[in-house]
Amino acid sequence: AQSVTQLGSHVSVSEGALVLLRCNYSSSVPPYLFWYVQYPNQGLQLLLKYTSAATLVKGINGFEAEFKKSETSFHLTKPSAHMSDAAEYFCAVSDEGSNDMRFGAGTRLTVKP
Amino acid sequence: EAGVAQSPRYKIIEKRQSVAFWCNPISGHATLYWYQQILGQGPKLLIQFQNNGVVDDSQLPKDRFSAERLKGVDSTLKIQPAKLEDSAVYLCASSLAGGPFNEQFFGPGTRLTVL
Repeated sequence: AQSVTQLGSHVSVSEGALVLLRCNYSSSVPPYLFWYVQYPNQGLQLLLKYTSAATLVKGINGFEAEFKKSETSFHLTKPSAHMSDAAEYFCAVSDEGSNDMRFGAGTRLTVKP
Repeated sequence: EAGVAQSPRYKIIEKRQSVAFWCNPISGHATLYWYQQILGQGPKLLIQFQNNGVVDDSQLPKDRFSAERLKGVDSTLKIQPAKLEDSAVYLCASSLAGGPFNEQFFGPGTRLTVL
């Protein structure tokens, strides 16, 4: 069954610094991969998704992620952190034959001024 | 375009009591999902509807949880009786259709505390 592991439950960066949130997947079939963001007391919002097209996926708010099959990874990056990026980030995996989208445990991003 | 609406936003009950949550999906979305998000964990799918039919309820604890979507629009999720471990945020999401190609839009959730 497919699953994802997010390395680091908390990540802290300074404003303007690089953001790197790690996600590794486990799937027996070609996966579809997603990154969601959750602000306090709000639902999840899709940042970007990989569906077997380009391996470098660009999303909203300046985020991007690269699918690396050899490393089974789908890390999320942003060149320069902004205070408004502080939130919880979830990586998720699904496959075409499944109704189930499985989420990682989440990474809380803190941005220091 | 209105988003996914959920009510109530917060609910506190004692164990063994019953509780119900309501979800109104985005207009025109055929697929509706209920997720349970326990503190410190990612959301876990409880049940998926396609119109008013159940597509997947394999992770729904059917001895105490039930859900319905009678007219293929609004949905309710009920817990009866509640246990302490049911304390969580219950998220509703909807999409045009099922499968990974269709973006799921999430509501703000209902935070349940069971004392």
